[in-house]
Amino acid sequence: DGGITQSPKYLFRKEGQNVTLSCEQNLNHDAMYWYRQDPGQGLRLIYYSQIVNDFQKGDIAEGYSVSREKKESFPLTVTSAQKNPTAFYLCASNRGGNYNSPLHFGNGTRLTVT
Amino acid sequence: GQQLNQSPQSMFIQEGEDVSMNCTSSSIFNTWLWYKQEPGEGPVLLIALYKAGELTSNGRLTAQFGITRKDSFLNISASIPSDVGIYFCAGLSLNRDDKIIFGKGTRLHILP
Repeated sequence: DGGITQSPKYLFRKEGQNVTLSCEQNLNHDAMYWYRQDPGQGLRLIYYSQIVNDFQKGDIAEGYSVSREKKESFPLTVTSAQKNPTAFYLCASNRGGNYNSPLHFGNGTRLTVT
Repeated sequence: GQQLNQSPQSMFIQEGEDVSMNCTSSSIFNTWLWYKQEPGEGPVLLIALYKAGELTSNGRLTAQFGITRKDSFLNISASIPSDVGIYFCAGLSLNRDDKIIFGKGTRLHILP
């Protein structure tokens, strides 16, 4: 079955450490996205990539970095510069371009930084 | 920038009741999407609407794409306990540079 896999499901880190969240998709989608969700809040876009080797900042990119070296993979690094990193992180993908294609989401990674 | 206003923010209903929620925008969208998110999981697509005036059903769920292309609603009939969760609307435009815009969600609680 095709889908989006995020790992790990739960992640714990000490303050000051960088941490990388994995996102892999086998849907052959061109576009991939990272969202952050805080309790009781909606989805806020961190970074997105419409094509391999290219990505753009979303609404809350500060303190985060991404890479898109392969079509299937879009890892997100939460750096020590991110002031409030504890949150639920969701990766998504779609066909991108002008296809009006719905987003498909992974099951999320809950990051706790203490 | 583009914004979606989703209401209500939360709902407390009795099992068996019908539910209605909606999203409105000042911008025109070419696609409306409705998602459901359960605790600790990612949102799952329920219904996608691609044409103004379109009315689409998925089991007990019915959604409509408003004629003005600036609004959409989702109805759930005869609610059951597993309907509990957060429902998000999302809008897409045909502008290549536009991102998908999400509403803030409607949290549905079902009382026994």
